[in-house]
Amino acid sequence: DIQMTQSPSSLSASVGDRVTITCRASQGISNFLAWYQQKPGKVPKLLIYAASTLQSGVPSRFSGSGSGTDFTLTISSLQPEDVATYYCQKYNSAPRAFGPGTKVDIK
Amino acid sequence: QVQLQESGPGLVKPSGTLSLTCAVSGGSVSSSNWWSWVRQPPGKGLEWIGEIHHSGRTNYNPSLKSRVTISVDKSKNQFSLKLSSVTAADTAVYYCGRIAAPMGWYFDLWGRGTLVAVSS
Repeated sequence: DIQMTQSPSSLSASVGDRVTITCRASQGISNFLAWYQQKPGKVPKLLIYAASTLQSGVPSRFSGSGSGTDFTLTISSLQPEDVATYYCQKYNSAPRAFGPGTKVDIK
Repeated sequence: QVQLQESGPGLVKPSGTLSLTCAVSGGSVSSSNWWSWVRQPPGKGLEWIGEIHHSGRTNYNPSLKSRVTISVDKSKNQFSLKLSSVTAADTAVYYCGRIAAPMGWYFDLWGRGTLVAVSS
């Protein structure tokens, strides 16, 4: 089965900073990758699918890129409401594994 | 607007069977979507459990496959999860979700989640 890893596991940044999270698949998955945001105590929320397509209603400061095995989620200007854990998920085939998550907070 | 709501016992004894149901409202479980279960142990990450189509086709996480059954009840517009031989390691918040198939096999809708504890 394809394994998903994320780095870093956590990060602390200042409001307005550019934040980048990396997700790596152990084998190529084309662009079949989604990103989710989970705020503390809340349900996960879809941010991006097909590696770079922004879900309707998601702020444009979020963007995704990558294909094959290496992907990134970028927050262009970190806001206080972006404090959350971010998960990638591969969905090219079952099992549709999640990455371990990256916790983002404000410095 | 489609909504999902999980229900089931919040406490299951070790070696017992965890049973949860996800009711679909505002839409039909017989649509082109697939339907899925994910769990999250306290303080940990998300684990994909499996998925089902209204035709009955299923896919399961290999790590849980021997213990998991996901089924669909079109007459009640719901789908269900059964996990047998549970241990404390199965304590988690269990989420049901809608898969955006055929567009893509990602979650575009989640239930609120339900905490299931395994304890005697």
